Amino acid sequence: DIVMTQSPDSLAVSLGERATINCKSSQSVLYSSNNKNYLAWYQHKPGQPPKLLIYWASTRESGVPDRFSGSGSGTDFTLTINSLQAEDVALYYCQQYYNTFHTFGQGTKLEIK
Amino acid sequence: EVQLVESGGGLVQPGGSLRLSCAASGFIFSDYVMTWVRQAPGKGLEWVANIREDGSLKYHAGSVEGRFTISRDNAKNSLSLQMNSLRAEDTAVYYCARAGKGTAIDYWGQGTLVTVSS
Repeated sequence: DIVMTQSPDSLAVSLGERATINCKSSQSVLYSSNNKNYLAWYQHKPGQPPKLLIYWASTRESGVPDRFSGSGSGTDFTLTINSLQAEDVALYYCQQYYNTFHTFGQGTKLEIK
Repeated sequence: EVQLVESGGGLVQPGGSLRLSCAASGFIFSDYVMTWVRQAPGKGLEWVANIREDGSLKYHAGSVEGRFTISRDNAKNSLSLQMNSLRAEDTAVYYCARAGKGTAIDYWGQGTLVTVSS
């Protein structure tokens, strides 16, 4: 199985500042035939289902504010949230869908400082 | 509007069985890979199983392999998860989900709680 490791486990950022969450896969999730990284980011708030933010490592899902962006390739990826808003407090997960077992990272808890 | 509605959760004793169902609407069900994901209390998301569009291929996480079976009925727009030999560590909210963006999950149900306890 591909192991996904996120860092940090928790993060406190001031309103209006930038939050950065990292995700590292135990093997590359870049599919050479189409040059796509099979990596997604989700936001999960208590009492709600998770929400897709980013897929193909950097493509923003429709309706997701442009302060959310994804970057990286191969084994190292980053979710960046610019100008942090109060409603961004949540757990954030990366997930690889490169192989048949679509493993998630352990999650990063984002709070307001 | 895409809707995924889970049912079948509840309290079951260790070693028991439970069958979860998911009713899908608002999209062409047979065009999509479907997924079950769970979240145990205080834990992160765990991918449980996938099933291909026509049901020909199924994949299960190692933690449930041999005990859980994912299935679908495209005629009824329905996804199922048969859970046997349940353990306390299977206690979780189980989400039915659609894999729509290259099999990234683009829609989720609200989840159904399964509690395994004596």
